[in-house]
Amino acid sequence: DAEITQSPRHKITETGRQVTLACHQTWNHNNMFWYRQDLGHGLRLIHYSYGVQDTNKGEVSDGYSVSRSNTEDLPLTLESAASSQTSVYFCASSRTETGELFFGEGSRLTVL
Amino acid sequence: DAKTTQPTSMDCAEGRAANLPCNHSTISGNEYVYWYRQIHSQGPQYIIHGLKNNETNEMASLIITEDRKSSTLILPHATLRDTAVYYCIVRVANSGNTPLVFGKGTRLSVIA
Repeated sequence: DAEITQSPRHKITETGRQVTLACHQTWNHNNMFWYRQDLGHGLRLIHYSYGVQDTNKGEVSDGYSVSRSNTEDLPLTLESAASSQTSVYFCASSRTETGELFFGEGSRLTVL
Repeated sequence: DAKTTQPTSMDCAEGRAANLPCNHSTISGNEYVYWYRQIHSQGPQYIIHGLKNNETNEMASLIITEDRKSSTLILPHATLRDTAVYYCIVRVANSGNTPLVFGKGTRLSVIA
């Protein structure tokens, strides 16, 4: 079955380190999204992509970057991790023709 | 900002119908109402969506008022596994390339 997977599921890192969270989907969806979720803030959009070589900033994009070199993957990079980026990160994908987003199981990142 | 208003929390007895309300008084003519839920520690899951007619699928029913300013998600026979946060979201058209904007949602607790 087609799916969307995130890795790693759990990561602990130190302030200032570069961290990359992977997101891979096998549905051949054009659209991919990254959200973060914190207590008291709900889900907030970080970056999104409508296709290869396309990236867009979301509500909370500072300190994050993404790249889309193929349809299947949208890695999220924290160039210099900060404690404020401790959060649970969710990746999602969708087809343009439908409204349904499919979410991964999340990646829990702790920055010490 | 989310364009919907939902109660913060609700309780429902197991086996009874759970009726989750949502106000979206500023909804536009081309905006759909989407419902997602998030079970603890998992990624959000699509439930149902509609434009102006009532909709039903294997998970739930969606009742939209005639003026489209509010809607109700109905879980006909709630089980303990339906305990989750339920998000009501409005978005333009039936398009998967529009990012979802999440509010705080309603925390539904199904009680045995």
